[in-house]
Amino acid sequence: KAGVTQTPRYLIKTRGQQVTLSCSPISGHRSVSWYQQTPGQGLQFLFEYFSETQRNKGNFPGRFSGRQFSNSRSEMNVSTLELGDSALYLCASSLVAAVMYNEQFFGPGTRLTVL
Amino acid sequence: DAKTTQPTSMDCAEGRAANLPCNHSTISGNEYVYWYRQIHSQGPQYIIHGLKNNETNEMASLIITEDRKSSTLILPHATLRDTAVYYCIVGYPHNAGNMLTFGGGTRLMVKP
Repeated sequence: KAGVTQTPRYLIKTRGQQVTLSCSPISGHRSVSWYQQTPGQGLQFLFEYFSETQRNKGNFPGRFSGRQFSNSRSEMNVSTLELGDSALYLCASSLVAAVMYNEQFFGPGTRLTVL
Repeated sequence: DAKTTQPTSMDCAEGRAANLPCNHSTISGNEYVYWYRQIHSQGPQYIIHGLKNNETNEMASLIITEDRKSSTLILPHATLRDTAVYYCIVGYPHNAGNMLTFGGGTRLMVKP
């Protein structure tokens, strides 16, 4: 079974631009979560989507947004980029089941550099 | 949310067992203990999770103390490819949210 894929793997943008990152979850997984990882802040939760609906949201400004499509693929968008948005953006998918546990499987990430 | 405390770094000889401790003294009754690892420049990889009982899978074993205030991840025969940062996380199962918050983790160095 193919893993979580993210595109692009690397991206360079300038301040003020916007960017869209894409994530394809593992086949059959319906939940997609996004994280930002920086050396200083570690891994921080951005938001989670399930069945095209945002279910949870972390403490990030409104410039960070996302969506999920009917095939569970997800995109996140960052508008008006700032230097501090330079980070590794990770997508994770999980299989939502009736049992009370989850496992999140991470993609390789998109490394965004804002100049 | 409960927080975790892990040693910053550990060394282990190749072929020996690596025992990584984690303290989570404020864990609540419904929170699970999850372990992930992150090899340099890659996304985090799920290893194992547990609630109360000890767990074992093809990658590792998880030993949770009876009071649930601490746990130990055991890699039975560490290899050089196990060199990574290991994160111990406590959190709720998915139907209460899929959020994970990673702390500093333990940087495990497996040496030949």
